Amino acid sequence: ILNVEQSPQSLHVQEGDSTNFTCSFPSSNFYALHWYRWETAKSPEALFVMTLNGDEKKKGRISATLNTKEGYSYLYIKGSQPEDSATYLCAFVGNQFYFGTGTSLTVIP
Amino acid sequence: EAGVAQSPRYKIIEKRQSVAFWCNPISGHATLYWYQQILGQGPKLLIQFQNNGVVDDSQLPKDRFSAERLKGVDSTLKIQPAKLEDSAVYLCASSLTPGRSREKLFFGSGTQLSVL
Repeated sequence: ILNVEQSPQSLHVQEGDSTNFTCSFPSSNFYALHWYRWETAKSPEALFVMTLNGDEKKKGRISATLNTKEGYSYLYIKGSQPEDSATYLCAFVGNQFYFGTGTSLTVIP
Repeated sequence: EAGVAQSPRYKIIEKRQSVAFWCNPISGHATLYWYQQILGQGPKLLIQFQNNGVVDDSQLPKDRFSAERLKGVDSTLKIQPAKLEDSAVYLCASSLTPGRSREKLFFGSGTQLSVL
């Protein structure tokens, strides 16, 4: 069983704060790293698929970086809004998808 | 584009009963996945289909779980008999490309199963 760790487990921030989470994964047999957002009562939705060391992706106020040599990815949210409240999952793709346990973000208005 | 359809959304059963979940992936998607997410854990792959063939079912508890994907389209996951530890969210996902993918997964809304 391959270990993918996410931290923190949960996070409460005030509206307008910027925040970031970490996904740690094995540095060997890397194929891709996915980030998903899962809002309560909805389907998980893909944010980013990252494949190259040093990749940086951005979607609106959300961005992500990737370091495959040291085995981590950061997800950043700038100026958090209540609609950003969700669980953020990362998935390491080796021979299959290995998901982390997620970071639960609550943005307080 | 229609998304991944799953049903039911919620199911409550007694232990030792049977339950079935249904999934209809996005049209044209070759690969279909069933994941189990137990509270506090990440989604765990139960089974992966490519068209109507099984690619990976190494983590499927085959003494009680079964899954099929007839005609390479929709899929059914069954638990018989259910145990308390099967309480979880069951997620179906699909992707266009077979195998390890640099393409994103499309998920259904999941089935919340409670076994009492």
